[in-house]
Amino acid sequence: SAVISQKPSRDICQRGTSLTIQCQVDSQVTMMFWYRQQPGQSLTLIATANQGSEATYESGFVIDKFPISRPNLTFSTLTVSNMSPEDSSIYLCSVVLTGANTEAFFGQGTRLTVV
Amino acid sequence: GIQVEQSPPDLILQEGANSTLRCNFSDSVNNLQWFHQNPWGQLINLFYIPSGTKQNGRLSATTVATERYSLLYISSSQTTDSGVYFCAVRRRRSWGKLQFGAGTQVVVTP
Repeated sequence: SAVISQKPSRDICQRGTSLTIQCQVDSQVTMMFWYRQQPGQSLTLIATANQGSEATYESGFVIDKFPISRPNLTFSTLTVSNMSPEDSSIYLCSVVLTGANTEAFFGQGTRLTVV
Repeated sequence: GIQVEQSPPDLILQEGANSTLRCNFSDSVNNLQWFHQNPWGQLINLFYIPSGTKQNGRLSATTVATERYSLLYISSSQTTDSGVYFCAVRRRRSWGKLQFGAGTQVVVTP
């Protein structure tokens, strides 16, 4: 398995500001992802965080709004930019281990409220 | 993309009861996972089960990949089983990306 530390665990932010969420993994992983869970909804993939290159975004998500960095194989950040109340969600970091067992593991999530 | 349907959407159980949650998916997959999201939002891995049957304590799961469905069984339910149960699948060549179902909200009453 993998131990994933995500910070902050929660935050309340003013509209128009930005928040950067950090994700640290206890081992090197090839695949790292960011998901969003809007209130009362399921999880939706935002993007794949690629080490050393630009993230790959899913339909409906853009780099200007959700810039992602991945400087190495154990760390990534997601920034939620120019926030509005519609960005209030839980944001989760996920990793998939390398090998035959491609099980995905999740961080504890960041609960963001925009006021 | 692949469709993932979970049923029922909501389930209310009395403590000690048994239940079955279902996950149907529309295409071949090489990964299927069940998660439990607790009231604090944390997503807990229950089973990694692309095929076959697994058991872990009071929980068990079965995936019939050829018929594109999976079942999660909860026996002798406890109040701590309350929360949302998600099924998530990964298609072949989807590079690790999971597609989640809408979830089943389970409430276990004393």
